[in-house]
Amino acid sequence: NAGVTQTPKFQVLKTGQSMTLQCAQDMNHNSMYWYRQDPGMGLRLIYYSASEGTTDKGEVPNGYNVSRLNKREFSLRLESAAPSQTSVYFCASRYIVGAGAPSSYNEQFFGPGTRLTVL
Amino acid sequence: GQQLNQSPQSMFIQEGEDVSMNCTSSSIFNTWLWYKQDPGEGPVLLIALYKAGELTSNGRLTAQFGITRKDSFLNISASIPSDVGIYFCAGHTGGGNKLTFGTGTQLKVEL
Repeated sequence: NAGVTQTPKFQVLKTGQSMTLQCAQDMNHNSMYWYRQDPGMGLRLIYYSASEGTTDKGEVPNGYNVSRLNKREFSLRLESAAPSQTSVYFCASRYIVGAGAPSSYNEQFFGPGTRLTVL
Repeated sequence: GQQLNQSPQSMFIQEGEDVSMNCTSSSIFNTWLWYKQDPGEGPVLLIALYKAGELTSNGRLTAQFGITRKDSFLNISASIPSDVGIYFCAGHTGGGNKLTFGTGTQLKVEL
């Protein structure tokens, strides 16, 4: 199993350009997440998808859109990149949500990250 | 958004020393997770805790789920150079979809 994979690993954009960050998992997880990590800020949730066909906003959704393409793939799109979106982006996944699920289903597994610079 | 208070922010220790870090919250959590992040990599899960009072070990790492369910600590015994990295705690309230992350403890080990 590859686990959670992300592409690209690095990207440089100019202000106003658009791009899509790709994420895929092969663990048959139901839920997928996008985070950004900035120095001193820890991990902040941008968007998540509790299950295929659903998406919800996290803590910092402005300037981003997401698509849950199928159970395996969850993409993050920047329509018009801004310097404030310079960050490291992580995708994560976990098994299942909902009351009654075993506690071990709370474990999230992360991809290697995409380092994005917006000039 | 809510974040967990994690301390210390950074530690600079000698190889062979024991390390202790902790995480506190104003909210009750049903699950505590501890992750380690190496430079240029994504966070990797080290230990997961599911019950108040639970003490779990993974090699030289030991973590405990606080009795009040509002805190957790992680101990690393006999540190080695490869322990260098950022350690994050994360909590889950159960029944929801999101983890809350701490701001991280950066560990540096002096040879």
